[in-house]
Amino acid sequence: ETGVTQSPTHLIKTRGQQVTLRCSSQSGHNTVSWYQQALGQGPQFIFQYYREEENGRGNFPPRFSGLQFPNYSSELNVNALELDDSALYLCASSSPPSTETQYFGPGTRLLVL
Amino acid sequence: AQRVTQPEKLLSVFKGAPVELKCNYSYSGSPELFWYVQYSRQRLQLLLRHISRESIKGFTADLNKGETSFHLKKPFAQEEDSAMYYCALSGRGGYQKVTFGTGTKLQVIP
Repeated sequence: ETGVTQSPTHLIKTRGQQVTLRCSSQSGHNTVSWYQQALGQGPQFIFQYYREEENGRGNFPPRFSGLQFPNYSSELNVNALELDDSALYLCASSSPPSTETQYFGPGTRLLVL
Repeated sequence: AQRVTQPEKLLSVFKGAPVELKCNYSYSGSPELFWYVQYSRQRLQLLLRHISRESIKGFTADLNKGETSFHLKKPFAQEEDSAMYYCALSGRGGYQKVTFGTGTKLQVIP
């Protein structure tokens, strides 16, 4: 069984740029959630994808967008990067009926200068 | 709105001492409560969920609906318990957003 993987591990961007982060879900999982974890904070829910459709969204602006592919892997795109977007971005996968039990990837650390 | 509060950023205990990590929540309805743990240089992982009523690595947590709390307890702390612990909450059924607390760092002193 393959766990959740994320790429890249680290990324440095400048303000105003765009970034794409990638996530491969655990084998057999069709639901992917994305979280932003700022330093010293708990993960904050960005959105969730289920069978290629956005299935719920947290309090993040539209410049945070995503995709899920037929193989259930997912991308998080952030446009017009701001300094406050610097954080660890976590991807978690799950599968009905236990979508609340999530399996996390190692994260992508994004630094915006 | 759903909210999870972990009042302690850091909890230091001696090896063999009891541990209690506090978690309070706010949710209108019947929530699912979880504890996640992150050991040094490892990814976030589920420790236990209240619906399972199980003990994992000697840890237990009881949901107290009257006090809206879900404290994590262990009678005798071990050095390997040192980690970051996050309490989390979601609703039940279908799509449910998971809300995390800010986490408590547990430091077990040898």
